[in-house]
Amino acid sequence: DVKVTQSSRYLVKRTGEKVFLECVQDMDHENMFWYRQDPGLGLRLIYFSYDVKMKEKGDIPEGYSVSREKKERFSLILESASTNQTSMYLCASSDSSASSYNEQFFGPGTRLTVL
Amino acid sequence: AQKVTQAQTEISVVEKEDVTLDCVYETRDTTYYLFWYKQPPSGELVFLIRRNSFDEQNEISGRYSWNFQKSTSSFNFTITASQVVDSAVYFCALFGPVYNNNDMRFGAGTRLTVKP
Repeated sequence: DVKVTQSSRYLVKRTGEKVFLECVQDMDHENMFWYRQDPGLGLRLIYFSYDVKMKEKGDIPEGYSVSREKKERFSLILESASTNQTSMYLCASSDSSASSYNEQFFGPGTRLTVL
Repeated sequence: AQKVTQAQTEISVVEKEDVTLDCVYETRDTTYYLFWYKQPPSGELVFLIRRNSFDEQNEISGRYSWNFQKSTSSFNFTITASQVVDSAVYFCALFGPVYNNNDMRFGAGTRLTVKP
């Protein structure tokens, strides 16, 4: 079974703190994604990566950065957390092969609260 | 631009009722994929089905069935004889074009509550 794990289920941080959200997948997938989920807005893509050290902006990259030093690990960084970044963060991974049709496998999510 | 609309924000049914979750999409691509995911209270999205744009056959999997109609750009999901364990948020998603790894668009989700 594909397994995507995220470092924390719940996280509480203060405004201005630097926050790291970690995601690890064990299926050797090339693609990894970070989404945020907010009520009424569904999932919105923050960043994605299709290879080690590669990254692409999604729909809402402002206030975030990412790091992918190893294939299995994709980190989301909030340089200076703000209250409007309080949200559920979901990590996903997918295979690049055509046969996979880019089905994404999701982690359990990290609910981040910024006070 | 690609867009997925799930007009039903919340649905509440009593166990054993049938329920249909609506999904309408917009895309200019001729080749695309449609997905349904389930997000139970645990939070992890679970893949339910994938359908490509060239296959309009409806699909049935146990109590779940999907109705794909290109003419109305809809990909509706029906749960027959609903159960309490079906309570979750359900997301419809559109992926395309197929060469663009980042273009998965999710709807806002429909929260389904099945009461005993």
